[in-house]
Amino acid sequence: KQEVTQIPAALSVPEGENLVLNCSFTDSAIYNLQWFRQDPGKGLTSLLLIQSSQREQTSGRLNASLDKSSGRSTLYIAASQPGDSATYLCAVIGNTGKLIFGQGTTLQVKP
Amino acid sequence: DGGITQSPKYLFRKEGQNVTLSCEQNLNHDAMYWYRQDPGQGLRLIYYSQIVNDFQKGDIAEGYSVSREKKESFPLTVTSAQKNPTAFYLCASSIEWASGGLDYEQYFGPGTRLTVT
Repeated sequence: KQEVTQIPAALSVPEGENLVLNCSFTDSAIYNLQWFRQDPGKGLTSLLLIQSSQREQTSGRLNASLDKSSGRSTLYIAASQPGDSATYLCAVIGNTGKLIFGQGTTLQVKP
Repeated sequence: DGGITQSPKYLFRKEGQNVTLSCEQNLNHDAMYWYRQDPGQGLRLIYYSQIVNDFQKGDIAEGYSVSREKKESFPLTVTSAQKNPTAFYLCASSIEWASGGLDYEQYFGPGTRLTVT
């Protein structure tokens, strides 16, 4: 059974710092991995999707990497801003066709 | 604007009452999903529909029911049989059911917070 873990559960950094969020999964037979952002009381916004054949995806200050063999993904946020404060969720999809979520990392960027 | 709408944003019900949550999408997506989110937990799949007039149970379907009579609409009914219905409910859609490619990237609605007392 696929399990997705995100560490740490919470992170607080000063504005301007570069940071890395971690996601690990137990079954490397995935189709894709998706990173989402969730603001308090809101829905999920898709940030990046990495296909299993890709190693990384970039969007603005965000860069997500995928290492299927080790069951790991990282989300790198450059030059963090207070507006980046949110919960970040990673999710993988495999041959069940279902998206399996981690519990998220709650990020606070202090001005 | 294309997207997914969920209504209402907040819903309050008495224990023992059934309640239906609305989810509509104008993205022309075939696949639609319902998730439940509880504090400190990841999202859990309740039901999904790969195509109109078809739906399957997810991981926590007990106490819930759905219909998919139109491509754009996937309403979720929380029945009185659901033991702990208070939660944040999220609807999502994708172009198609997981195919190993980009087409199954899921897009989410704004959610409905249901409180049952």
